[in-house]
Amino acid sequence: GESVGLHLPTLSVQEGDNSIINCAYSNSASDYFIWYKQESGKGPQFIIDIRSNMDKRQGQRVTVLLNKTVKHLSLQIAATQPGDSAVYFCAENTPSGYSTLTFGKGTMLLVSP
Amino acid sequence: NAGVTQTPKFRILKIGQSMTLQCTQDMNHNYMYWYRQDPGMGLKLIYYSVGAGITDKGEVPNGYNVSRSTTEDFPLRLELAAPSQTSVYFCASSYAEGEQFFGPGTRLTVL
Repeated sequence: GESVGLHLPTLSVQEGDNSIINCAYSNSASDYFIWYKQESGKGPQFIIDIRSNMDKRQGQRVTVLLNKTVKHLSLQIAATQPGDSAVYFCAENTPSGYSTLTFGKGTMLLVSP
Repeated sequence: NAGVTQTPKFRILKIGQSMTLQCTQDMNHNYMYWYRQDPGMGLKLIYYSVGAGITDKGEVPNGYNVSRSTTEDFPLRLELAAPSQTSVYFCASSYAEGEQFFGPGTRLTVL
């Protein structure tokens, strides 16, 4: 089965609301996590990352929280805008020889004006 | 920098045909990757390379081959196309392990 999964396949919010996208991971050895945004017809675009020695990291309007106890990752988007509508993927890096990223299925965020 | 470029953008193949998906990056990244993305799904790793002359299988390598003769290029070869290979293919690169930069994708349909 997938080692990275999401709780909500689709999230609908109003413009200006805060959005929270969740992700569960199963490999406790994973040491690095990334959130990607994918707009329709485009490749994934890096949003923010966090290493396992951190609990929280903030960017511009985005915050990633890491809870290693329950192996949970979340992406918070403040003041969500219509341009934030996309599919969001979490990915984990598990050290093993040459490490590669494992991607979850994704959550679609729909922002209504 | 152009980043990661992929050609073609779209392609339709008949069952049994062959083709090569091209990927080039101009960021001097050592690591390069090929993923496929099926509708409504996440990305699955096909092959990756940690430097010129070094390639390794990912999660779903069957039906594909790769080569890495230069740092910049990482072509993906489909020898005998099958309908199950209908997908969107993404190439990515990274300086080391960690953040990967993605190309715009190649949409492949096998009929």
